[in-house]
Amino acid sequence: QVQLQESGPGLVKSSETLSLTCTVSDASISGYYWNWLRQSPGKGLEWIAYIFSDGSTNSNPSLKSRVTVSVDTSNSQFSLKLTSVTAADTAVYYCARGGRDVVAAPLDNWGQGTLVTVSS
Amino acid sequence: SYVLTQPPSVSVAPGQTARVPCDGNSIGVQNVHWYQQKPGQAPVLVVYDDSARPSGIPARFSGANSGKSASLTISGVEAGDEADYYCQVWNGDGDHLVFGPGTKVTVL
Repeated sequence: QVQLQESGPGLVKSSETLSLTCTVSDASISGYYWNWLRQSPGKGLEWIAYIFSDGSTNSNPSLKSRVTVSVDTSNSQFSLKLTSVTAADTAVYYCARGGRDVVAAPLDNWGQGTLVTVSS
Repeated sequence: SYVLTQPPSVSVAPGQTARVPCDGNSIGVQNVHWYQQKPGQAPVLVVYDDSARPSGIPARFSGANSGKSASLTISGVEAGDEADYYCQVWNGDGDHLVFGPGTKVTVL
């Protein structure tokens, strides 16, 4: 069973950049789509972006201008950067595995999530 | 952008059947996936591709998708099934992922 673990600062100042890393274990990162999602307190799930193991990416149109995702296959990690954060970016951030060689697939394994709070 | 609609809440007595609908334009041509999220926990995939169950998910969970609406059905509801349930599709041949707003299933 693949394991995913998010890591990064739990507190980010307004206007700065949020940076998170997801470490994948007990499975290969190659050949899969890897996703970032978030959930604001008391709200629903929001997809942020995906990255394929070859580095190709796509992101939510509402966040596209602020999102960068990258992958480090040698360390089985992928990362998220979200620039110019505001209080509205306060959320639990999740990483999740998508399809094998197929974009439009369910997210079958999720990390436990990490709370990121944006402070003024 | 593509919009999925779910009722905010569904209540059901133990042992009865809960049905959670998910509506969207031409949803019948989409592959719909369902996630269960309990408080303080990450979502768990319970149904994928409209009606398939991942390994380890009880047969009490089933899904359907036809025409204008998809649905998740929980048969013989147990107290442990109390959770938020989200439907999800990929819009535009994998262009981006869309979730429904979620339905809170309450076991009376």
